[in-house]
Amino acid sequence: NAGVTQTPKFQVLKTGQSMTLQCAQDMNHNSMYWYRQDPGMGLRLIYYSASEGTTDKGEVPNGYNVSRLNKREFSLRLESAAPSQTSVYFCASSEARGRATYNSPLHFGNGTRLTVT
Amino acid sequence: AQTVTQSQPEMSVQEAETVTLSCTYDTSESDYYLFWYKQPPSRQMILVIRQEAYKQQNATENRFSVNFQKAAKSFSLKISDSQLGDAAMYFCAYRSVRGSQGNLIFGKGTKLSVKP
Repeated sequence: NAGVTQTPKFQVLKTGQSMTLQCAQDMNHNSMYWYRQDPGMGLRLIYYSASEGTTDKGEVPNGYNVSRLNKREFSLRLESAAPSQTSVYFCASSEARGRATYNSPLHFGNGTRLTVT
Repeated sequence: AQTVTQSQPEMSVQEAETVTLSCTYDTSESDYYLFWYKQPPSRQMILVIRQEAYKQQNATENRFSVNFQKAAKSFSLKISDSQLGDAAMYFCAYRSVRGSQGNLIFGKGTKLSVKP
């Protein structure tokens, strides 16, 4: 049972560099999410995808782009990394698809710790 | 927009004792879901318990229970017989049933320490 798999686990970037965080889930979930976690701030939603082929902005989308490649995969791209993007990034998925399934929880990956110097 | 507030940045409990973590939320909706997640030092996010707003009965999962006060918009987590493995960050989260997002809105977390 892999669940939600994120790669890489750790990454150090220099300001201005780009990178893509990969996420894949094997639970056949429709919805996928990218959150960032900062000390004292909890988890904040960056982007989400309610279904294959659709993506929408969350609370803190600036500086990021996403791609829902297929039902399994949802990637997060930093085009030009900035020190303010130093954070722990979590990918999550959920069966949530309308009122009847909203009691289903989010399943999280183990996170990527990103440092931008 | 909905918000979730955890007013206790840090809490401490003696092993085998009981501790209650506070959570309040702000919403104009009458139907929603509430969750508590645990994040140990491993960074993994683990679901502890969930509550449906239209159910008056408080959810219980083994040593974990909630006190859901809908009118007061309060959703506290009680941990009984605390164990060393309960030491972690605890996040309260809200989910609206409107729209297609299905995302959770998180509080800032409470760091729980368990003393042997």
